Amino acid sequence: QVQLVQSGAEVKKPGASVKVSCKASGYTFTNYGISWVRQAPGQGLEWMGWITAYNGNTISAQKFQGRVTMTSDTSTSTAYMELRRLRSDDTAVYYCARDSLHGLFVGTIPPPADYWGQGTLVTVSS
Amino acid sequence: QAGLTQPPSVSKGLRQTATLTCTGNSNNVGSQGAAWLQQHQGHPPKLLSYRNNDRPSGISERFSASRSGNTASLTITGLQPEDEADYYCSSWDSSLSSEVFGGGTKVTVL
Repeated sequence: QVQLVQSGAEVKKPGASVKVSCKASGYTFTNYGISWVRQAPGQGLEWMGWITAYNGNTISAQKFQGRVTMTSDTSTSTAYMELRRLRSDDTAVYYCARDSLHGLFVGTIPPPADYWGQGTLVTVSS
Repeated sequence: QAGLTQPPSVSKGLRQTATLTCTGNSNNVGSQGAAWLQQHQGHPPKLLSYRNNDRPSGISERFSASRSGNTASLTITGLQPEDEADYYCSSWDSSLSSEVFGGGTKVTVL
């Protein structure tokens, strides 16, 4: 069965960086892209960006451009999201989520995600 | 600030029908359609419908999505206690080159 297992909770100081991992299993990693979505405490969902698993191309939300890097390691079927220059309002649960469509059928627009990781709480506090 | 507009809450009785709305514009919902997700407290979201209104495998027929112009709708028929959750719509915004979400609607089953 498809599973996305994310790394554990992190506590960071303002200005630091955090790197969240998302290990995929149960499917061919290179066939499906991965999106990153975050959710601040008590708030709604916020899309951060998307990486195509087969060639590593990325699209990120304008709000995060210059601060976020999404990568993937096909040898370990793991996607990564690094967020730099952390601020207190970056405190959130960060989710990775798999595309609902095979990459052959995906152009430049990421499809909705059908499998989600369990989430990683990142707390930014001095 | 959410890119799509959803009512904050909807309350309906057991076995009744709830209709949730999601309003965007011609750059997102009007041209790309909207997906719907359900999120129970403390859990990751779950995809209920694709942007073309189709349901993923395993999603109950009680959940049906539709769209008219720039507004998408999710209808939940025969409300059950387990339907109490937050519901989010999402769409691709071609002007922002970004996925946008609604602020979410909290559904309460009375």
